Amino acid sequence: GAVVSQHPSWVICKSGTSVKIECRSLDFQATTMFWYRQFPKQSLMLMATSNEGSKATYEQGVEKDKFLINHASLTLSTLTVTSAHPEDSSFYICSAFRTSGGQLAKNIQYFGAGTRLSVL
Amino acid sequence: QKEVEQNSGPLSVPEGAIASLNCTYSDRGSQSFFWYRQYSGKSPELIMSIYSNGDKEDGRFTAQLNKASQYVSLLIRDSQPSDSATYLCAVTSQGNLIFGKGTKLSVKP
Repeated sequence: GAVVSQHPSWVICKSGTSVKIECRSLDFQATTMFWYRQFPKQSLMLMATSNEGSKATYEQGVEKDKFLINHASLTLSTLTVTSAHPEDSSFYICSAFRTSGGQLAKNIQYFGAGTRLSVL
Repeated sequence: QKEVEQNSGPLSVPEGAIASLNCTYSDRGSQSFFWYRQYSGKSPELIMSIYSNGDKEDGRFTAQLNKASQYVSLLIRDSQPSDSATYLCAVTSQGNLIFGKGTKLSVKP
């Protein structure tokens, strides 16, 4: 079964609205989670690194005020796309870096199933 | 900037053949190496991890690591059409996981 749960899997929204995506680590604690974006037929692009209890670290060119990240607990990180526009339509994927707990191998990134965002 | 390089492909092999996917990395200090498989429209799925020089086998998959040459490869034996996907090489570097751009594999029936 999934070790990282991502919700929702697909969302369609109107331009100008905000969309929140949740990423949960199941059965393990994740002090660090990552948010990626992938456009069709392109490679994964790291957007930001989410650290529990502190501010996220954004990659160059990613607007922190537009992509709000909150990592409020050891098992949950959220990405909010604020005032979404059609150019934000993409496949957003989170991953959790496992360092403790359960039967899984440590120091491995496990990916969520992804969220397909379509902004009309 | 630490880099992970892969041939983008597409790599086309007939069903039943061995598919060989290659990856080179620039950070000589890298310690952990991973292969992920990504089907179109889906998120990456971890298929192999390798940490020491040599071969590691898991079913039809074999990962090979050569730290001296900064080279890691993935062999898929008895390739099946269901193996058709993009394969991402990922390498840890200074606490980060750096992904290659992926190699698209197509297995023809």
